[in-house]
Amino acid sequence: GAGVSQSPSNKVTEKGKDVELRCDPISGHTALYWYRQSLGQGLEFLIYFQGNSAPDKSGLPSDRFSAERTGGSVSTLTIQRTQQEDSAVYLCASSPDPPSGHLTDTQYFGPGTRLTVL
Amino acid sequence: EDKVVQSPLSLVVHEGDTVTLNCSYEVTNFRSLLWYKQEKKAPTFLFMLTSSGIEKKSGRLSSILDKKELSSILNITATQTGDSAIYLCAVGASGTYKYIFGTGTRLKVLA
Repeated sequence: GAGVSQSPSNKVTEKGKDVELRCDPISGHTALYWYRQSLGQGLEFLIYFQGNSAPDKSGLPSDRFSAERTGGSVSTLTIQRTQQEDSAVYLCASSPDPPSGHLTDTQYFGPGTRLTVL
Repeated sequence: EDKVVQSPLSLVVHEGDTVTLNCSYEVTNFRSLLWYKQEKKAPTFLFMLTSSGIEKKSGRLSSILDKKELSSILNITATQTGDSAIYLCAVGASGTYKYIFGTGTRLKVLA
C-alpha cells in the first residue's frame, strides 16, 4: 500500500516568507509526528498528533511554527516569517497506534521536505 | 535531560568487513530502542528492542540491547556498498510518545 507522502519535496523561500509543508500519513494510522533534521544532526521532535487528542506541541522551537491535522489524516506544518536557521529537512512519520512496547511501536517516515531559506 | 549518544560519528570500511555501531542512552522509564537506516531522506525501520526482546537478527544485521549498560549495538557482517547510510538510534520512554534520536553514525562501505 501507499506509504507516507510529503509535499513539496523541496522548497526554497526567502527570509520572512511563510511556508506550508504537507504530510499524508498511511491510511488508518492514528499517530503522526513531525521532525526536523538539520545538516549533520539527528532528528529533532517537533509535534505529535494522536487521534482526536490535543497535540503535543512541546517540540516546536518558536511560535512561528504551528501544525494542524485535519480529520485525523493530513497534516500541515506552517512556518511563519521564515529564518535562515529554519533551513532543514522536515520529516513526517505515522504510526498505527500509540507506543506500547509492541511491534507497532515504530514509525513509518515520509521522504521529507528539504526547506532552504535564503 | 534524556539523551541518546551514538558512536562512532562516521566510519569507512571495505566490502566484506564487519562493523559494530553503538548507541547509549539516558532515558527515564525506558520503553524501547529502535534502529533506523537513512540512505537519502526517509529513515527505514530496522529493529525494535525492548525488555522482552533484547536481541534481533535479520540477515547480515543484528542488534542487542544491554539494559544494564543502557546501550545497544548494531552489527553488520560482510558489509556491502548498499549498506552505506546513516544509522539512527531512537529511544522511547514509557508514558510518552516522544522518541529521542541520536545524531546517527554515517557508514561508508568502499568497494
